[in-house]
Amino acid sequence: NAGVTQTPKFQVLKTGQSMTLQCAQDMNHEYMSWYRQDPGMGLRLIHYSVGAGITDQGEVPNGYNVSRSTTEDFPLRLLSAAPSQTSVYFCASSPGAYSNQPQHFGDGTRLSIL
Amino acid sequence: GNSVTQMEGPVTLSEEAFLTINCTYTATGYPSLFWYVQYPGEGLQLLLKATKADDKGSNKGFEATYRKETTSFHLEKGSVQVSDSAVYFCALSDGYGGATNKLIFGTGTLLAVQP
Repeated sequence: NAGVTQTPKFQVLKTGQSMTLQCAQDMNHEYMSWYRQDPGMGLRLIHYSVGAGITDQGEVPNGYNVSRSTTEDFPLRLLSAAPSQTSVYFCASSPGAYSNQPQHFGDGTRLSIL
Repeated sequence: GNSVTQMEGPVTLSEEAFLTINCTYTATGYPSLFWYVQYPGEGLQLLLKATKADDKGSNKGFEATYRKETTSFHLEKGSVQVSDSAVYFCALSDGYGGATNKLIFGTGTLLAVQP
């Protein structure tokens, strides 16, 4: 029972490089989202998806792209990495988009931009 | 806009002490409230939730009551253990209309329990 799986766990990039953070869930959840966690700021929503083919922006979307071609996968793309994107990234999912449904989190990807 | 404020840490307690972590919120509509816990090197796990006023969420000896009159959702445990050492996040889910699950988090409170 894998739940939400994120890869890689750690990554170091140079400024200007691009990369994709992978997220997959095996619970047939409709709702998926990406958060970034920074010291003293809690977690902030980057992008979310209420189902395959549907994505929308969260609180801090600039510099990130997402797509949702299948129910299971929700990759996060950094187009041109900047030091301000150094953070820990968490993917989460829930059965649906309703506000009373708790979300299941992956173990995170720790990303450093030099 | 919606926001969550929780007490800053770290909170350091001795084993078997009583724990309170304060959380207050600002929201329009009828949000659901959550406490998540993050153990070192791991993702967040749901600890408990409450979806309407006066609901009490409870799990693993932790409790929190949804107080609409004071806009609070304080986390309590009567007797903490070393294994409770973690970061605790209070969060609300935008409840306007019910059909949205975007979480707004507090900054997190580090709890360290000493034997």
